[in-house]
Amino acid sequence: DIQMTQSPSSLSASVGDRVTITCRASQSISSYLNWYQQKPGKAPKLLIYAASSLQSGVPSRFSGSGSGTDFTLTISSLQPEDFATYYCQQSYRSPQTFGQGTKVEIK
Amino acid sequence: EVQLVESGGGLVQPGRSLRLSCAASGFTFGDYAMHWVRQAPGKGLKWVSGISWNSANIGYADSVKGRFSISRDNAKSALFLQMNSLRPEDTALYYCVKDSGLITTGGWSDPWGQGTLVTVSS
Repeated sequence: DIQMTQSPSSLSASVGDRVTITCRASQSISSYLNWYQQKPGKAPKLLIYAASSLQSGVPSRFSGSGSGTDFTLTISSLQPEDFATYYCQQSYRSPQTFGQGTKVEIK
Repeated sequence: EVQLVESGGGLVQPGRSLRLSCAASGFTFGDYAMHWVRQAPGKGLKWVSGISWNSANIGYADSVKGRFSISRDNAKSALFLQMNSLRPEDTALYYCVKDSGLITTGGWSDPWGQGTLVTVSS
């Protein structure tokens, strides 16, 4: 199975901060990398697909980059509603696998 | 509006069976692959099983292979997960998820249902 490793596992940030979360795959997955946001008690929500494409309705402060094994999710200016847990997911090969999650908390 | 509504969860003893259902609406169900993803209490997301649009391609996580069976009824826009020989470690919220494409690889998961809770305990 392809292992997905996110870093950091958690971070504390202030409103307005630029936040970067990284995701590394154990082998090349081309651009088959997606990002999800999950708030407590809610289902995950798709933010970024195919490494860098912004899902419709998602604010433009979210962006994704990378290909091969190294990927990044960036929030350009953190807003109060962005405090949540973020997951990366590879869909290159079955079984699709998720990173362990990055919890973004208020500083 | 695309909607996925799971049902069938509950409290079950170890070794028993449970059948989850997912009712889909708002899109042409037969045009998309579908998945089950679970989340144990306080833990991360784990893919359980996926099925292609025509049921020709099916996959399972190693942890459920041989115990769980996924199926779909395109005429009724419904997805199912038959779970046998349940174990305490199967306790989780089970999400029904729509894929972006016909097959179970290469796409993305959107949207997700609200989940149905399965608790395996004596």
